[in-house]
Amino acid sequence: GAGVSQTPSNKVTEKGKYVELRCDPISGHTALYWYRQSLGQGPEFLIYFQGTGAADDSGLPNDRFFAVRPEGSVSTLKIQRTERGDSAVYLCASSTNPTRRVNTGELFFGEGSRLTVL
Amino acid sequence: GIQVEQSPPDLILQEGANSTLRCNFSDSVNNLQWFHQNPWGQLINLFYIPSGTKQNGRLSATTVATERYSLLYISSSQTTDSGVYFCAVNAGNNRKLIWGLGTSLAVNP
Repeated sequence: GAGVSQTPSNKVTEKGKYVELRCDPISGHTALYWYRQSLGQGPEFLIYFQGTGAADDSGLPNDRFFAVRPEGSVSTLKIQRTERGDSAVYLCASSTNPTRRVNTGELFFGEGSRLTVL
Repeated sequence: GIQVEQSPPDLILQEGANSTLRCNFSDSVNNLQWFHQNPWGQLINLFYIPSGTKQNGRLSATTVATERYSLLYISSSQTTDSGVYFCAVNAGNNRKLIWGLGTSLAVNP
C-alpha cells in the first residue's frame, strides 16, 4: 500500500481480555517495527522483524505480549490478559532493508492503534 | 545507552515567526530522523539526516555528527506546524530508535 496501515485505530477493552493489533507495512519493506507511546512520552521500542523472524524482541515488556509476521508482510501484535497499564498508542513502522548491517534505514510510521483498557 | 535531549521542551510562536529546535545526543549515531507528531497523533517523517544539511520547503535540518547535535529550522511558521517535534536516533549494534522527549510547538494565528 501507499503507507503503513494499522487496524483498529481505536480499541477499548476490559481488563483481562485478549487484544490483537494489526499492521500492514509499505509494500516491499522487509523491516517492521512495533513501538508503544504513552501520553507525553516519545515512542518506546517493542520488537523488530526482519522478514518473518523477530530479530529483536527485547522491548516487549513481559510474556503477555507477543508478535508474529508469518509471511513477512502483515504483522499482528497480541496482548493477553490486558492490564490498565497497557493503555497506550501502539505504533507500527516499516523500512527498506538497510544497506548497512546495523542501521534502521528511514522508518515510516502508521497512524497507530489507540488501546484503552478499562 | 545513548541519551537524546531536545530543547526547548515547549515553544509558542506567532504565525510567521521562525524557530530553531535542537537535538543533542550523547554518542555516535548511525541514523537520525526528525518527526512531526500532529495533534491527531500521526508521526510524519520530516528528515532522515544522520549528517549534513537538507531542506524541504519551509523546513530545513542540519546534523553535525562530530559534535553530536542536530538542528531543525522552521521558517515562516503556520498554525498547521503545531504539534510535537521528535528527534530519534539509532546507535550501536541494534535497530532501535531512541527518542527525545520532543518539543511541543504551538503556532498562534
